[in-house]
Amino acid sequence: DSGVTQTPKHLITATGQRVTLRCSPRSGDLSVYWYQQSLDQGLQFLIQYYNGEERAKGNILERFSAQQFPDLHSELNLSSLELGDSALYFCASSPWSGLAEGGNTGELFFGEGSRLTVL
Amino acid sequence: AQSVSQHNHHVILSEAASLELGCNYSYGGTVNLFWYVQYPGQHLQLLLKYFSGDPLVKGIKGFEAEFIKSKFSFNLRKPSVQWSDTAEYFCAVNARTGGFKTIFGAGTRLFVKA
Repeated sequence: DSGVTQTPKHLITATGQRVTLRCSPRSGDLSVYWYQQSLDQGLQFLIQYYNGEERAKGNILERFSAQQFPDLHSELNLSSLELGDSALYFCASSPWSGLAEGGNTGELFFGEGSRLTVL
Repeated sequence: AQSVSQHNHHVILSEAASLELGCNYSYGGTVNLFWYVQYPGQHLQLLLKYFSGDPLVKGIKGFEAEFIKSKFSFNLRKPSVQWSDTAEYFCAVNARTGGFKTIFGAGTRLFVKA
């Protein structure tokens, strides 16, 4: 158990719909990262938040958005869903901001993922 | 931009065979290097990591990896695989300077035949 909790574990929805995925980081971790894992594109970095602020952005579509709340949990919102959005969405956390700060080992702690199926 | 290439997408080995999974990255600066493993139905977990020092790093479960700076490579090895090593293996890189993010390779699915 990594200490990172993701809900829901499975989600089936229709095209055009909107879903919200939730992530609770390990106790004390300030950074949350979202990744999308699909069969054809591997593990793609979407976005990172540190202590409530967006820190780094990857290949995140405009239809997707995320936020990190004061209690440090994070939500990934996916809207106007398309068939191609079907994937496993992972959340990861770490104690560091993402910068090359002292003690930063760069290790990420992953949740078990939320499997989204768009029909 | 950073990128990570894993040469083999699928590998099938018999138990006791030796394993080497290739990983190359493209980034000219100083990097941290990682191998993560994802066992069937489980989350990704760290196998080993390299930051500095001895380029041969040892991880859990008998795995090791060698950083060759001149080749921008960080290959994963295990002398003798077991059925329980069946999993997907991901190489990952992050840059130490500036705001950085961890970039993963596409992954290698290893199946070990008993």
